[in-house]
Amino acid sequence: QKEVEQNSGPLSVPEGAIASLNCTYSDRGSQSFFWYRQYSGKSPELIMSIYSNGDKEDGRFTAQLNKASQYVSLLIRDSQPSDSATYLCADSGAGSYQLTFGKGTKLSVIP
Amino acid sequence: EPEVTQTPSHQVTQMGQEVILRCVPISNHLYFYWYRQILGQKVEFLVSFYNNEISEKSEIFDDQFSVERPDGSNFTLKIRSTKLEDSAMYFCASSESMSDEQFFGPGTRLTVL
Repeated sequence: QKEVEQNSGPLSVPEGAIASLNCTYSDRGSQSFFWYRQYSGKSPELIMSIYSNGDKEDGRFTAQLNKASQYVSLLIRDSQPSDSATYLCADSGAGSYQLTFGKGTKLSVIP
Repeated sequence: EPEVTQTPSHQVTQMGQEVILRCVPISNHLYFYWYRQILGQKVEFLVSFYNNEISEKSEIFDDQFSVERPDGSNFTLKIRSTKLEDSAMYFCASSESMSDEQFFGPGTRLTVL
């Protein structure tokens, strides 16, 4: 049974700080990794994808992947109150169509 | 910007009734998916659909569920005889290729009474 694990939080950071969100996955065959943001009552919104070991930056967001440690993280720089949401980590295995989601980490950015 | 759309936004039904949830995927996408999220729980995969057939399904997707692409734009999920435990948000998603980024629609909230 594939699992994606996230600390449920809540994670509280002051406005302007860096928020660090972490995720581990169980399937060594997983090849694609995604971070989604979900506001309460809304659908998952894709933030970033990452496929290779290392860092990937997009604006204020940086995703980091370490396949040896089966670990994915998301850094949010200059956090804003509008970043307050639940962040979902998901992976997709080789030859698989489905995304396996973690339970999500709730982030609260305090003004 | 292209987006996935879903109708209705909210569906209320009686236990045992059939429901059809509708989705219009992003137009150049070839892979289509249904996920569900029970309140307070994680997003769960139901089924994927490619080239007019189911490519993968989860244990949740039993004989009560079916999917169809009735025309060139719509993608539907049918639940034949709804149960109380089917109450959830149902999300449609689409992607250009397998293992590619999946884009989610706004969801249909299904309430079974």
